Amino acid sequence: GAVVSQHPSRVICKSGTSVKIECRSLDFQATTMFWYRQFPKQSLMLMATSNEGSKATYEQGVEKDKFLINHASLTLSTLTVTSAHPEDSSFYICSATVGTAISNQPQHFGDGTRLSIL
Amino acid sequence: GDSVTQMEGPVTLSEEAFLTINCTYTATGYPSLFWYVQYPGEGLQLLLKATKADDKGSNKGFEATYRKETTSFHLEKGSVQVSDSAVYFCALSDRSNQGGKLIFGQGTELSVKP
Repeated sequence: GAVVSQHPSRVICKSGTSVKIECRSLDFQATTMFWYRQFPKQSLMLMATSNEGSKATYEQGVEKDKFLINHASLTLSTLTVTSAHPEDSSFYICSATVGTAISNQPQHFGDGTRLSIL
Repeated sequence: GDSVTQMEGPVTLSEEAFLTINCTYTATGYPSLFWYVQYPGEGLQLLLKATKADDKGSNKGFEATYRKETTSFHLEKGSVQVSDSAVYFCALSDRSNQGGKLIFGQGTELSVKP
């Protein structure tokens, strides 16, 4: 149980294009989803927290207009990297939980998306 | 603010060796503690957790005990296998601070040789 599917697993695109990454909870309703960024050999950096039907809460230093997050349903959240540039290349990972961020329910992670901007 | 510190890697062991990965934390409240494992090219999988002091989390031969007096949550396994090679992340979630978000350590890479 508690499977999170992330798509695509890898994307390569030209500088200036926008890229959408999907995160789906397959067998549970995800009240809260999280988006992380991971640089090589480093830990995960929380980018934003999204709750179904409301605006995402971004961490300090994360550009809201650059990383658009939509959590339209209890099973789907999307991250769109707008006008992507080489410095946006990274491994992006989503996670989902059945509760709110404050409920201490375990987070279930997707397999990540490797984004490479040429 | 809350933080998690793990021992630096990479850790290289022979198969069947004993594993310890140290993890200490700083928190203002009463956090839950987690170990996650990340295999190459994949996301994170929850390995085990403990929600209060003296709790022991265990899974797949791994175990960790929540030690409030030493603010530690060290990961141990008695006999590692090649398939255990991965990056291990210690994390905490503190409802009284940070809104229950997960705060990760820097990760420790484990390489097990046959």
